[in-house]
Amino acid sequence: EVQLVQSGAEVKKPGESLKISCKASGYRFTSYWIGWVRQMPGKGLEWMGVIHPGDSIIRYSPSFQGQVAISADKSISTAYLQWSSLKASDTAIFYCARRTGASQPSFDYWGQGTLVTVSS
Amino acid sequence: EIVLTQSPGTLSLSPGERATLSCRASQSVDSTFLAWYQQQPGQAPRLLIYDVSTRATGIPDRFSGSGSGTDFTLTISRLEPEDFAVYYCQQYDHSPAYTFGRGTKLEIK
Repeated sequence: EVQLVQSGAEVKKPGESLKISCKASGYRFTSYWIGWVRQMPGKGLEWMGVIHPGDSIIRYSPSFQGQVAISADKSISTAYLQWSSLKASDTAIFYCARRTGASQPSFDYWGQGTLVTVSS
Repeated sequence: EIVLTQSPGTLSLSPGERATLSCRASQSVDSTFLAWYQQQPGQAPRLLIYDVSTRATGIPDRFSGSGSGTDFTLTISRLEPEDFAVYYCQQYDHSPAYTFGRGTKLEIK
């Protein structure tokens, strides 16, 4: 069974750093792109970026380029989303999701989401 | 950058009725790259439809997708209570890759 299990909720102060995780199981981690999606409170879905764990190719949405860093550790089948200096506007739920396939760019499996709250 | 406009923003219907949700792209979309998701309150999105009209695994056949070019539709033939949720369309192109629409909230009338 394919599963993406994300790390737990975080409460941080502005300026702090953060790294959240997405652990994959039930499939070959290195064969599928993993994407990150933001959902701000009461708002819609925004694609942030994707990584191919097999060769570490990363693509960022222009809206998030330079604001976050995406990485993966294929030895433990885990993808990461990282901030070096959080802002209050980073408060949101962040989802990881597996891209369906090389020729099919939908996202077929999703993590449960990680709520990040940034407040002084 | 392709922009996806979903309409209506909110759709009020009763169980048993037919729902028609629209997703319009600002430029022509490769038909392979149009998907629909359902999101229940407090839950992660769930893939419903990919390739415009292919149902994802486990999705009931009351859900169907259609369209081409810039106009796409998600139809729910007979609404069940669990279908009331927010629906997003999503497309892919090479720059900047993935785009979601802003969503249609399907609410009980």
